[in-house]
Amino acid sequence: KAGVTQTPRYLIKTRGQQVTLSCSPISGHRSVSWYQQTPGQGLQFLFEYFSETQRNKGNFPGRFSGRQFSNSRSEMNVSTLELGDSALYLCASSYGGGNQPQHFGDGTRLSIL
Amino acid sequence: QQQVKQSPQSLIVQKGGIPIINCAYENTAFDYFPWYQQFPGKGPALLIAIRPDVSEKKEGRFTISFNKSAKQFSLHIMDSQPGDSATYFCAASNNNQGGKLIFGQGTELSVKP
Repeated sequence: KAGVTQTPRYLIKTRGQQVTLSCSPISGHRSVSWYQQTPGQGLQFLFEYFSETQRNKGNFPGRFSGRQFSNSRSEMNVSTLELGDSALYLCASSYGGGNQPQHFGDGTRLSIL
Repeated sequence: QQQVKQSPQSLIVQKGGIPIINCAYENTAFDYFPWYQQFPGKGPALLIAIRPDVSEKKEGRFTISFNKSAKQFSLHIMDSQPGDSATYFCAASNNNQGGKLIFGQGTELSVKP
């Protein structure tokens, strides 16, 4: 079974731009969660989608948004990029969310110049 | 109350040693405690997980010990190998909060040959 696939692997943007990251979950998984990983703050939860609905949201500004499609694939969008948004963005999928095991992709490394 | 505190920040052991990584939490609503292993350039990989109705769980060389009254849990790696050198994260979640994992700050483990 293929794992969680995230594209692109690397992105370089400048301040003020917006960016869209993509995540394809493991086949059959309906829950997709997004996390931000930085050296200073560690791994922080952004939001979770299940059956195309946002089910949970972390403490990030409204510039961070996401969506999920009917095939469970998910996208994350960050608008008006700031230097502090430079991070590794990770997507994790699970069968049903809740306390089901979550499996991570290898992330998208976003660098803001 | 949502925090998970992990220690130590870094750990060096000799091959064959038993590194122990500790985590503590405050929120008694947490009911799922996974451990992840992360290599450079890769996403976190699920190693082993435990629920609070069990005091110990073993999978291969990895063992989780769980102390519900102390609100602490730990990871033991038996017969550690240089290939175990990685960053380890503990996490916790509450089934009522969907797929929201709260992560510890990570432990960088180095196993010397």
